[in-house]
Parts: sequence; structure tokens; C-alpha cells
Amino acid sequence: NAGVTQTPKFRVLKTGQSMTLLCAQDMNHEYMYWYRQDPGMGLRLIHYSVGEGTTAKGEVPDGYNVSRLKKQNFLLGLESAAPSQTSVYFCASTKTMAGGLYNEQFFGPGTRLTVL
Amino acid sequence: GENVEQHPSTLSVQEGDSAVIKCTYSDSASNYFPWYKQELGKRPQLIIDIRSNVGEKKDQRIAVTLNKTAKHFSLHITETQPEDSAVYFCAASRRANAGKSTFGDGTTLTVKP
Repeated sequence: NAGVTQTPKFRVLKTGQSMTLLCAQDMNHEYMYWYRQDPGMGLRLIHYSVGEGTTAKGEVPDGYNVSRLKKQNFLLGLESAAPSQTSVYFCASTKTMAGGLYNEQFFGPGTRLTVL
Repeated sequence: GENVEQHPSTLSVQEGDSAVIKCTYSDSASNYFPWYKQELGKRPQLIIDIRSNVGEKKDQRIAVTLNKTAKHFSLHITETQPEDSAVYFCAASRRANAGKSTFGDGTTLTVKP
């Protein structure tokens, strides 16, 4: 089991460029999430998905889009990168339990993105 | 929405001492409270969690307590070791919320040998 993986690990973009971050999980989890982590600000939810073909906005969705065409993959896109999007991006997944209870979130290793 | 406040932001202790990190939450419907440890340059990983039907949970040197009335929960680490040095995050989520967790801003714990 690889768990949750992210591609790429590092990336430098120029303002206005676009890119896609890929998250993959092999645990058959229903729910997946994208967070950004900035110094001193914890983890903030960008977008999330409760199943294949569904996505929803989180706390800080502006400037990002997502897609979940396959259950195991969750893509995060930046259409026109801005310096304010310089951050470390973490993907996470979790499985649902009977009765609607939730388990821990399993995180990927992160992608460090710098926008110049 | 949910708001989670975490204190202190930094904590320095001597090896062997205890460390306590506190979090408060605003949504009384929250019912799941995990704690994650993040070592430098690594991903957050769950170290302990507690559900709202339990007041305390222990796992070796780590314990978490929950006070639903006051809406706060705490992480207790006893007999600290240098390898406990990391950033610790608390989080809160509720049953009907797509598993979304609201995270505190983190506490940087330094254990001095």
C-alpha cells in the first residue's frame, strides 16, 4: 500500500502560469481533500470530494479548481497562478464508517509550490 | 462555521517534563477531535483522537481530554523526549459535515535534551 501520494513534490511557477497537482490514494477511501499550509496558519481546506464525480468548495477555494473523475484520484488545478498561492499543498483522504462517523485523515507527502 | 483556537503557539520543555496543548472549538455539534503531529518537512500524522462520547483517552505517554460543556480539549504528553519535538495540530469535525475538519493553527513543541 502506497497510501496517499502526490505529484509533483516541488514546483516553481511564474505568475499567470497554470498547473495541476495530482493526488492518488489506494485505500479505496470515499472522501478526499485538498489543503494549503502556510506558516503559522495551520491547514486550510481548499476543496473536497465525497465521491467520484462530486466536488465542493472548502474554506479558501478562490483561484483553484478540482476534479474527481476516478475514485482514487483527486486533481487540484491552478488556472492562473499568483504569488499568494505560494504554499505547501497537502492532499488527504478518509473513509466513512457506519452511522456517518469519520476516521482519521491520511495525508500525502505534500507539494511545495512557489509562484514568482 | 467551526472555529478552532489552539494555545500556545510555541512550547519549550525540558526532556522528561510534561507538555500540555489546549484547543477550544465553537460548534457544539462537533463530535470528533483528532490530534496530528507534523515533523519538519513531513506530512501530518494522527497520534490520538477522541469522540464526543468519551471524556478521556490514553495511549502510552499521550492522552487527550475533552470537556464538551466548555468546548475545549487538550493534549497531554508525559515524559517528553527529543523525538516529540514537532508541530502539533488539533482539529474538530462533526458527523454531518462530509468529514471536513477545522484545524487549529498548530503548536511548535521543542523538547530540550
